[in-house]
Amino acid sequence: AQTVTQSQPEMSVQEAETVTLSCTYDTSESNYYLFWYKQPPSRQMILVIRQEAYKQQNATENRFSVNFQKAAKSFSLKISDSQLGDTAMYFCAFMKHTGGGNKLTFGTGTQLKVEL
Amino acid sequence: EAQVTQNPRYLITVTGKKLTVTCSQNMNHEYMSWYRQDPGLGLRQIYYSMNVEVTDKGDVPEGYKVSRKEKRNFPLILESPSPNQTSLYFCASSLSTGALGEQYFGPGTRLTVT
Repeated sequence: AQTVTQSQPEMSVQEAETVTLSCTYDTSESNYYLFWYKQPPSRQMILVIRQEAYKQQNATENRFSVNFQKAAKSFSLKISDSQLGDTAMYFCAFMKHTGGGNKLTFGTGTQLKVEL
Repeated sequence: EAQVTQNPRYLITVTGKKLTVTCSQNMNHEYMSWYRQDPGLGLRQIYYSMNVEVTDKGDVPEGYKVSRKEKRNFPLILESPSPNQTSLYFCASSLSTGALGEQYFGPGTRLTVT
């Protein structure tokens, strides 16, 4: 079974600054996907960024980028130029590449607050 | 517009009164899942379905039932709700292969059982 750990329940950052959210996972799978989801106060689950485990290059989506360390089983999210709209709960999630019905295994989340 | 819809969005009920939360997707996705979200626990999978008439248990299936009679619909049934089923519920759908595993989530259903 897979586990995902987010060790930072809450974080805060000043507007325009950079913040990094940490995530570690445990799996015996060699091929899988990793995701970061954002959940704003509206409760909608929004996909922020994804990483395929077989790709060495770190994924980037505008101000969001990841630091994927496969050997260390670490998958951190960096948010640059933080904006007030980035205030949300952020979940790290794991999915096997095949089988398992596309099940997502989530971490417990990090509540990020962006302050003026 | 591609979307997953859930109804109702909010529900307050009493212990033991059967209820159904509906989920529908318009993307012709094979895979559909139900998750519950609880503070400090993240989201946990309740049940999933890989196609019509094919369903299986997730991590927390006790107290829930599902059915998949049509590809687009995947209702969640609580035969005898209890207060420990008070939670935020999400339905999600995805293609069986490809699309890099992207899942589409519904807007959530806030359920309170008193």
